[in-house]
Amino acid sequence: QVQLQESGPGLVKPSETLSLTCTVSGGSVSSYYWSWIRQPPGKGLEWIGYISYSGSTDYNPYLRSRVTISVDTSKNQFSLRLNSVTAADSAEYYCARAVGSISPFDYWGQGILVIVST
Amino acid sequence: DIQMTQSPSSLSASVGDRVTITCRPSESISDYLNWYQQKPGRAPSLLIYAASSLQSGVPSRFSGSGSGTDFTLTISSLQPEDFATYYCQQADSTPYTFGQGTKLEIK
Repeated sequence: QVQLQESGPGLVKPSETLSLTCTVSGGSVSSYYWSWIRQPPGKGLEWIGYISYSGSTDYNPYLRSRVTISVDTSKNQFSLRLNSVTAADSAEYYCARAVGSISPFDYWGQGILVIVST
Repeated sequence: DIQMTQSPSSLSASVGDRVTITCRPSESISDYLNWYQQKPGRAPSLLIYAASSLQSGVPSRFSGSGSGTDFTLTISSLQPEDFATYYCQQADSTPYTFGQGTKLEIK
C-alpha cells in the first residue's frame, strides 16, 4: 500500500521560503508523477506542480516564478520550495501521486498546515 | 487555464436520497474528469476517475457520467458517511484545476 507523509515547518515568516518534504513508502518516486496541492483554510484545492519519474517538472503558472519541486531518489522523497511567501500562501499542503500526466490523484498524504505569519 | 464550475455549491439532503452534482469545464476535456470526496480534517480521496470509472473500494452507490463539457456525479442512496464536500478535477491539461466544491449536508 502506497503511503505519503508530508513534513516540514508549520510556521514560516513572510518573505521567507516554505520548504516541505513528502516521504513515500510502498512505492518508488522513480515511477509515476508526484504533485503538491494546497488548500487555504475553508477554501478549495489548488494544484501547485508535479515532478515526474523522469525528473521533468510542470508548475502552476500562477506560482511558477516562486516554486521548485525536486526529488531525492535515495531517500524516496520529493520536496517543495516556495519562495517569498505571504499570508496568502497559508494553507494545508498535500502531496499526491498520479500514475500518469492524465491520471487522477489516487494516493494523498494526510496534509500539513503551514501558516505564514510573523 | 480550464475553469471548472460545480453546482450546486451546497446541498441539503436526507439519508436515502438520490443526489446529483454537476461539473462543467470551460472547454472540452474528453473524459479526463475525476471526482474526490473530502471529509473535514482529511485529505481528499478519489471516488471516480475518467468520468465514469469507480475507484477500487468505493461503494457502487457512487457513479459518474459525462464527457466533453458536462459531467455529473450521482449518489444513488445517501448514507450517513457520504456527508462531505465533493470536488471535480480536470486532468486534460496543466495546470490541473478543481471545481470550487459542493458541500453535502444533512437535511
